[in-house]
Amino acid sequence: KAGVTQTPRYLIKTRGQQVTLSCSPISGHRSVSWYQQTPGQGLQFLFEYFSETQRNKGNFPGRFSGRQFSNSRSEMNVSTLELGDSALYLCASSLDGQVPYGYTFGSGTRLTVV
Amino acid sequence: AQSVTQLGSHVSVSEGALVLLRCNYSSSVPPYLFWYVQYPNQGLQLLLKYTSAATLVKGINGFEAEFKKSETSFHLTKPSAHMSDAAEYFCAVSDNRRGSTLGRLYFGRGTQLTVWP
Repeated sequence: KAGVTQTPRYLIKTRGQQVTLSCSPISGHRSVSWYQQTPGQGLQFLFEYFSETQRNKGNFPGRFSGRQFSNSRSEMNVSTLELGDSALYLCASSLDGQVPYGYTFGSGTRLTVV
Repeated sequence: AQSVTQLGSHVSVSEGALVLLRCNYSSSVPPYLFWYVQYPNQGLQLLLKYTSAATLVKGINGFEAEFKKSETSFHLTKPSAHMSDAAEYFCAVSDNRRGSTLGRLYFGRGTQLTVWP
């Protein structure tokens, strides 16, 4: 079966712009989580969506937002980009977000802010 | 609260040698534990997970890990390293209270494994 698909793979944006990243989970999975990966901070949890509702949120400023559609696809948006937002953004899908089922990660979107 | 410490940001071994990557966790409740591998410019691939069944967990590519509650450890091992094992490895923890963490894993800072020919 198809894995988790993230688009685009690479993005270059200018400071102050906004960006939208997309994640299509494995078919049948209803939970999508987002993580930011940077050399300085490592892997940090952004938020988790289930059935179009945000259920859990990490410690990121309000510039980071997301949503989930009825087909479980999810988008995350970052407004007013800062240089420090340059990172690999990973999404993970799971059946219902409960830990025992595990999480499958996509290949990520590499965002560079210049 | 949960946290993960991976001892050694870089580990180098010769091909055919034992691989040992260390992970210690801190959790206020019995945890679920995971090891993921990341190849350059790729996402995270699950190697194995501990979810309170057998304490010795076997994963893909010949890796295994043992959950030791008394030592709060979940070290990853492989008897014989292969060149293709060179990658970054992440240990992660989540608590096992159903519904409590909802999609959230706490990751260690990663260990870069180098395999010499």
